[in-house]
Order: sequence, then structure tokens, then C-alpha cells
Amino acid sequence: SQKIEQNSEALNIQEGKTATLTCNYTNYSPAYLQWYRQDPGRGPVFLLLIRENEKEKRKERLKVTFDTTLKQSLFHITASQPADSATYLCALDRTGGTSYGKLTFGQGTILTVHP
Amino acid sequence: NAGVTQTPKFQVLKTGQSMTLQCAQDMNHEYMSWYRQDPGMGLRLIHYSVGAGITDQGEVPNGYNVSRSTTEDFPLRLLSAAPSQTSVYFCASSYAGSGNTIYFGEGSWLTVV
Repeated sequence: SQKIEQNSEALNIQEGKTATLTCNYTNYSPAYLQWYRQDPGRGPVFLLLIRENEKEKRKERLKVTFDTTLKQSLFHITASQPADSATYLCALDRTGGTSYGKLTFGQGTILTVHP
Repeated sequence: NAGVTQTPKFQVLKTGQSMTLQCAQDMNHEYMSWYRQDPGMGLRLIHYSVGAGITDQGEVPNGYNVSRSTTEDFPLRLLSAAPSQTSVYFCASSYAGSGNTIYFGEGSWLTVV
């Protein structure tokens, strides 16, 4: 069956360091991979989308890589700040194309950035 | 714009009761969906809709009904609540041109006792 795993349930880092979160998947060939941020008591908020033919995507201090051979995505936050503390979710489309809002999510990684 | 609005925010039900979680979006999005989020399980798709009058099942549809009479609204009905349905429910919407980015509501916390 299709499976998505975010390797770390929790990640603790010092302010200013780079946080690296991992998302691995099996039995799946997604067209898109997405990363979301979720704060306690709130809904997930979209951060970045990367397509299967893209190796890397950047947005301000965020960088996402997508290796379809390894079936893995890495999500980096550079110069991390305490305000970056949240749960980060990776998600894949289910149909290999237009997902119609049907994504499969990993269980999330709780990132804590210490001052 | 309000985005995706869910009501109620919190609800406690007794086993066997029925209720409806309301969801409305004001972005004219074609696609709407309902997810539930449980500790350690991630978000799981319950039902989704690709347009008014069209719905389909997701990964965990049992015990839930949906309908989509308008583009804006996508209510989720619990027919006979069970303790296993204690969860946080998220409604979401998206449109075809967004690269499948999904916009989530703020969630509805449901406890079934």
C-alpha cells in the first residue's frame, strides 16, 4: 500500500541553525509533493509545492528538494527562528495528476527552535 | 475574504447522536474535501467533491455522509456518532489552477462520549 513517512516525530534545533525535515514515500509515483505548516489548534497552511520534474524549490528561507529516485523530499529552513516552531506536514497527490484536493499526508514533524 | 469557514469549533456528542459539521468557502473553488486528524495518524481523507452535485469517498468514509448542493457549502454529517469518531475535522478547498494547493479551515474539535 502507499505509505508516507516523515522520519522524525520531533526535531529540536538552536536558533540560527538550519532545520532539515525528511519525507519518504513508497509504492507511489506522485506528480506533486507539498509541504504545509500547522500551528497548535490551527489548520494546515500551504508552504511550498514541488513537481516531479523539479529538483529544488526555494521560497525565502525555505528550500525543498524532491528526489523521485530515492522517493524522498527534504525540507530545509535556514537561519531558523523560534517563530518557525510548528508541525510540518508533507503531502502527496493521490492520482498522479490533478488531485481534486485528495492528498495523502505524512504524520508530521514537530519542529522546536530554541532561542 | 474569509477563506474556508468551519462551524462549530468545538462539539461534544453522546454515542448514537447525529450532527452536521458545516463548511463554507468564499473563494469559488471547485474542489472541497473533509479530512480528520488523529494523533500519530496524519490527516486522512473522508470525502471529497469536485463540484456541486458530485461527491466521492476518500480513505475513511464509513460513518459519514456528505452532499454538495452549492459550490460554497460542503457539510459533513455524522449519522450515529461513535467514540472512534472523536477527532479534529478539517474542511479544505482548492481549484484546478492552483497546482493542487489546498486551503484549510481552522478545524472542528469533536468529542464523542
